[in-house]
Amino acid sequence: EVQLVESGGGLIQPGGSLRLSCAASGFTVSSNYMSWVRQAPGKGLEWVSLIYSAGTTYYADSVKGRFTISRDNSKNTLYLQMNSLRAEDTAVYYCARGVAAAGFLWFDYWGQGTLVTVSS
Amino acid sequence: DIQMTQSPSSLSASVGDRVTITCRASQSISSYLNWYQQKPGKAPKLLIYAASSLQSGVPSRFSGSGSGTDFTLTISSLQPEDFATYYCQQSYSTSITFGQGTRLEIK
Repeated sequence: EVQLVESGGGLIQPGGSLRLSCAASGFTVSSNYMSWVRQAPGKGLEWVSLIYSAGTTYYADSVKGRFTISRDNSKNTLYLQMNSLRAEDTAVYYCARGVAAAGFLWFDYWGQGTLVTVSS
Repeated sequence: DIQMTQSPSSLSASVGDRVTITCRASQSISSYLNWYQQKPGKAPKLLIYAASSLQSGVPSRFSGSGSGTDFTLTISSLQPEDFATYYCQQSYSTSITFGQGTRLEIK
């Protein structure tokens, strides 16, 4: 059974750093596309970052230069390192597994999310 | 970035109704369009991928259509568990974007 479990969220002051983790089971993180998607309180979904199975990474303009997506193959875990955090980064952060086929990409499994609150 | 615009933003309907939600892309995205359902406090759930392919385990009352810039999600006969928020998402660009969501409420 495929499962994604996020952790690492919490309350952090503006300008601070936080690392989110997404532990996967039932499949191999390094063989799949993986993504982070966030949702500010009461708002819609916002894509944050994507890592291809080959290791290529992509970021939303809103986080580029501040966030870094990575993975640990030995732990089958996806990470999101978040630096220089701002109040507008406050959101529930979801990790999601991407399926790529014939050029298409969709997210078929999602974690339960972890809340990041940036506030002084 | 490619902008995704959903309409309506909210919708009231009754059990048994046929409902259609529209998603428009700011440029052509071929069929690189997915639909998700989200209930309060829960993670999104994939319904439709590649514009019209039904995800495994999703009831057949859900269907998707469209290509280019205009897409629709149709629920043929609303069930009580379908009241939720629906999002479209494009994967044509590596800068992935979601629509703003359509909240489907009970009339």
